[in-house]
Amino acid sequence: EAEVAQSPRYKITEKSQAVAFWCDPISGHATLYWYRQILGQGPELLVQFQDESVVDDSQLPKDRFSAERLKGVDSTLKIQPAELGDSAMYLCASSLGEFGYNEQFFGPGTRLTVL
Amino acid sequence: AQTVTQSQPEMSVQEAETVTLSCTYDTSESDYYLFWYKQPPSRQMILVIRQEAYKQQNATENRFSVNFQKAAKSFSLKISDSQLGDAAMYFCAYQRANSKLTFGKGITLSVRP
Repeated sequence: EAEVAQSPRYKITEKSQAVAFWCDPISGHATLYWYRQILGQGPELLVQFQDESVVDDSQLPKDRFSAERLKGVDSTLKIQPAELGDSAMYLCASSLGEFGYNEQFFGPGTRLTVL
Repeated sequence: AQTVTQSQPEMSVQEAETVTLSCTYDTSESDYYLFWYKQPPSRQMILVIRQEAYKQQNATENRFSVNFQKAAKSFSLKISDSQLGDAAMYFCAYQRANSKLTFGKGITLSVRP
């Protein structure tokens, strides 16, 4: 069964360091989402891609966060510099396409701890 | 902006019993989708059940069913014959077509053997 892959699963870093997370969506899924889930809360969207284009990054802290999906397949989310408040679970999800309803499938997430 | 509210942080149910998880939402849209997602400890989030707003009939998936009250903007999940494997965080979520999911804060469900 096809799944969304994410790596690493866990990351510990110190404040002011750079971190990067990787996501490989289900093959053929044109839409890719990055969500941030703070402990005890629901996920919140950081960025949505349609193929290689950003559709929604209104909640992405652009002074320190960046995201890319250069070939419209896998994606990287970067934080530089990391801050204590960035400690959270970072979830990637993918769905088939652009129109109508398409179920979002989630990866296992990357748990980030900033010391 | 759309909001999703889950006011109960925790619930507990005896194995084999029935439990209902509550959710309310706010939107000015008429065409949208509502979901319940399950997030087991250290495991990925999976879709439990989906409801299209234009459908009056409540969705069911085996032991899981919803009570969708569009006018009241209420969307509760009923789990029948609760099993130990149902223990998890459950999130209510809202979505317009092919847009982001807006989640509630979630509820932790424990199942007592």
